[in-house]
Amino acid sequence: DAKTTQPPSMDCAEGRAANLPCNHSTISGNEYVYWYRQIHSQGPQYIIHGLKNNETNEMASLIITEDRKSSTLILPHATLRDTAVYYCIVRVGGTSYGKLTFGQGTILTVHP
Amino acid sequence: NAGVTQTPKFQVLKTGQSMTLQCAQDMNHEYMSWYRQDPGMGLRLIHYSVGAGITDQGEVPNGYNVSRSTTEDFPLRLLSAAPSQTSVYFCASSPTTQGKKLFFGSGTQLSVL
Repeated sequence: DAKTTQPPSMDCAEGRAANLPCNHSTISGNEYVYWYRQIHSQGPQYIIHGLKNNETNEMASLIITEDRKSSTLILPHATLRDTAVYYCIVRVGGTSYGKLTFGQGTILTVHP
Repeated sequence: NAGVTQTPKFQVLKTGQSMTLQCAQDMNHEYMSWYRQDPGMGLRLIHYSVGAGITDQGEVPNGYNVSRSTTEDFPLRLLSAAPSQTSVYFCASSPTTQGKKLFFGSGTQLSVL
């Protein structure tokens, strides 16, 4: 699996967009980008995933660069409840489901 | 719909004791897995299962056993607890059609003295 690099921490003002970057320069063609988050002491929560195209759901948007070497998770209007650790994960898609490797992620702090 | 249920929520053991962490899911998911999370670190995969009767090792399997006799249950056994196994343990499940969209339980905080 491709390795990912994320900044250890970020701050965001409440109501503003939070843009969380992830570098995955060694990603291969069949690897998806997944984002999860973990609010303090809870189990991680799935946010969104994508392969090539930008994706949007009720929680966030995922922007993947054309060369797929990096991506950005966007929380359009951050709230205090979005304070969490955000994990960017790259994994092969298709039927080879199984292991997901969680790194140390980015601690996002949303402040009033 | 309960999702993924882990019991107990908290447990204290003495070194050398054995115990089983329970994990059950009611979503008919084929894939189930166990992770541990230590302070300041990400989650590390212990064992996983792609269906009843099938299990495999993850990144940190030593000291842990698993079995999968039913689709619903995936218990994690500590054979002889060690202080290094003090951690928070998370169970997760996923349908095979959405391989990596994991649903996590609320965790078990384990302390080994």
